[in-house]
Amino acid sequence: AQRVTQPEKLLSVFKGAPVELKCNYSYSGSPELFWYVQYSRQRLQLLLRHISRESIKGFTADLNKGETSFHLKKPFAQEEDSAMYYCALSGQSGNTPLVFGKGTRLSVIA
Amino acid sequence: GAGVSQTPSNKVTEKGKYVELRCDPISGHTALYWYRQSLGQGPEFLIYFQGTGAADDSGLPNDRFFAVRPEGSVSTLKIQRTERGDSAVYLCASSPAGQGVIQQYFGPGTRLTVT
Repeated sequence: AQRVTQPEKLLSVFKGAPVELKCNYSYSGSPELFWYVQYSRQRLQLLLRHISRESIKGFTADLNKGETSFHLKKPFAQEEDSAMYYCALSGQSGNTPLVFGKGTRLSVIA
Repeated sequence: GAGVSQTPSNKVTEKGKYVELRCDPISGHTALYWYRQSLGQGPEFLIYFQGTGAADDSGLPNDRFFAVRPEGSVSTLKIQRTERGDSAVYLCASSPAGQGVIQQYFGPGTRLTVT
């Protein structure tokens, strides 16, 4: 069965502290992994995806196939990072539906 | 350019009524998805269109839910005999044709409240 697990509903950190949002997945095959973000009163938007191996807004995520994890990290949190973060997976090619985790709310405290 | 739009932004209806939710995808996007997001949950897949046809409707919870995309652009999600458990934010997303992993672009959602 396809499943994405985000164990933390809420994560609070101080500004300038490191951030790690956890994501584990279950998928038969090789999925593509994504992080989506939803800022207050904005629509859901793509933050980054595994296939691009990019860093967006200082965030990175490494796919660990052995641990079936795709944790999101940032070395120094900023107040504007406060948002709802969703980990998601899909099949590797074409247009396939996304399977989302329940999300983690990140609160960065000044 | 214009992003994905959804109307109405909010809909309040009584239990047992029929509702229609509309999605306008990004122009030229061939794929269109509907998701449902209940309180405290992530979005859950409902149905996916490739052009005019439903390529995958495995996420529709029961036969009260139906969606159409007659001209391969605008889509309407239809819910018959609404129940209080249908209350949620209904999200639409679209993506272009292509190979490999393709990004989905989300609309702002329609918040449905069934009283």
